[in-house]
Amino acid sequence: GENVEQHPSTLSVQEGDSAVIKCTYSDSASNYFPWYKQELGKGPQLIIDIRSNVGEKKDQRIAVTLNKTAKHFSLHITETQPEDSAVYFCAASLIYGNNRLAFGKGNQVVVIP
Amino acid sequence: NAGVTQTPKFQVLKTGQSMTLQCAQDMNHEYMSWYRQDPGMGLRLIHYSVGAGITDQGEVPNGYNVSRSTTEDFPLRLLSAAPSQTSVYFCASTKRGTGVANYGYTFGSGTRLTVV
Repeated sequence: GENVEQHPSTLSVQEGDSAVIKCTYSDSASNYFPWYKQELGKGPQLIIDIRSNVGEKKDQRIAVTLNKTAKHFSLHITETQPEDSAVYFCAASLIYGNNRLAFGKGNQVVVIP
Repeated sequence: NAGVTQTPKFQVLKTGQSMTLQCAQDMNHEYMSWYRQDPGMGLRLIHYSVGAGITDQGEVPNGYNVSRSTTEDFPLRLLSAAPSQTSVYFCASTKRGTGVANYGYTFGSGTRLTVV
């Protein structure tokens, strides 16, 4: 089955700097790659996603890039703010039409004021 | 408010007890799923359902049962609680997509379960 790995496990950045989290996936058939943000004591929340027919997607300070050849995708957060501190999960869809997602183990991002 | 509602938010069980974690969504989503979250393990799929009357196992189904009698509800049953089932449980739902038309999940706020 699909295996998704995230690096690094913990990332500390100064407020205002950029943060980048990278995920790799194993199944070349995966075609949907969402990112979730989980704040302390809450459920994960979808923040951005990308489909295999595009290479990059932006939404204000966050962006996701996809490299299908290398089978990796990355989350970019620019001008980080303290409220960006959270756990971020990447995921990949397993099978067409199945809706199942394989999640990475998560990255703790700490923004230092 | 539209979304996924989980109850209870906290629960303490004794080993061997049974209980049901409730999950309800009002978005008419076909797909619903249960995950457990443990430190360093990420989100692991327990069971999922692609529609009323249809359920299937995820990667860690042992010790859990599910049923899907309506589109809205997807309860998770612990048959005989064990300390290894101490975890935070999340329910999630999404519209059922095909091909590249997958959609993002909406997660509930979680149930924190402790088995002593």
